[in-house]
Amino acid sequence: EAGVAQSPRYKIIEKRQSVAFWCNPISGHATLYWYQQILGQGPKLLIQFQNNGVVDDSQLPKDRFSAERLKGVDSTLKIQPAKLEDSAVYLCASSLGQGASYEQYFGPGTRLTVT
Amino acid sequence: QKEVEQDPGPLSVPEGAIVSLNCTYSNSAFQYFMWYRQYSRKGPELLMYTYSSGNKEDGRFTAQVDKSSKYISLFIRDSQPSDSATYLCAPDLANRDDKIIFGKGTRLHILP
Repeated sequence: EAGVAQSPRYKIIEKRQSVAFWCNPISGHATLYWYQQILGQGPKLLIQFQNNGVVDDSQLPKDRFSAERLKGVDSTLKIQPAKLEDSAVYLCASSLGQGASYEQYFGPGTRLTVT
Repeated sequence: QKEVEQDPGPLSVPEGAIVSLNCTYSNSAFQYFMWYRQYSRKGPELLMYTYSSGNKEDGRFTAQVDKSSKYISLFIRDSQPSDSATYLCAPDLANRDDKIIFGKGTRLHILP
């Protein structure tokens, strides 16, 4: 079974530029998550989708971050404009359903450096 | 007080030793307790989970939860260099709408 795919793996941009990340979840997984993991911290949930609807985006900085999952499969996360503090690894995860009883499978992440 | 606290380490132990990783939490409503392992440059992967208090064993790994003291432990027996990773504890409310709260993780190095 193929895992969660993410691209690009690495990205370096200057502050105030924009950037987009792509995620392809495991086939059949209805729930998709985007996490931000700052160096030395645990992952923090940014947004959760159930199919193509948003379940939780309470920790998404909506003035600069946006995410979509138009057809309920792939998803993109965008940052515009980027700030220095956005330097982090952005992890995508997917699961069959919502709640802790459904295991989340993580992709390898996109490492973003904002200079 | 933060919801989940872990000593970030690094923790270095010789191969074959017993490793004890610990985590404390503040929300007494947590019911589901997970440990994730994260290798360098990889995403986290679920290692073990327990529901409510007690112990759970899986091979060389034992997860222990003491809800009275809000303390979670992960023990690794006969540690191997391949166990070198960051271990994240993640308690959860075990309801459908809840999001996982991850600890900062403890970096573990097993020395050959």
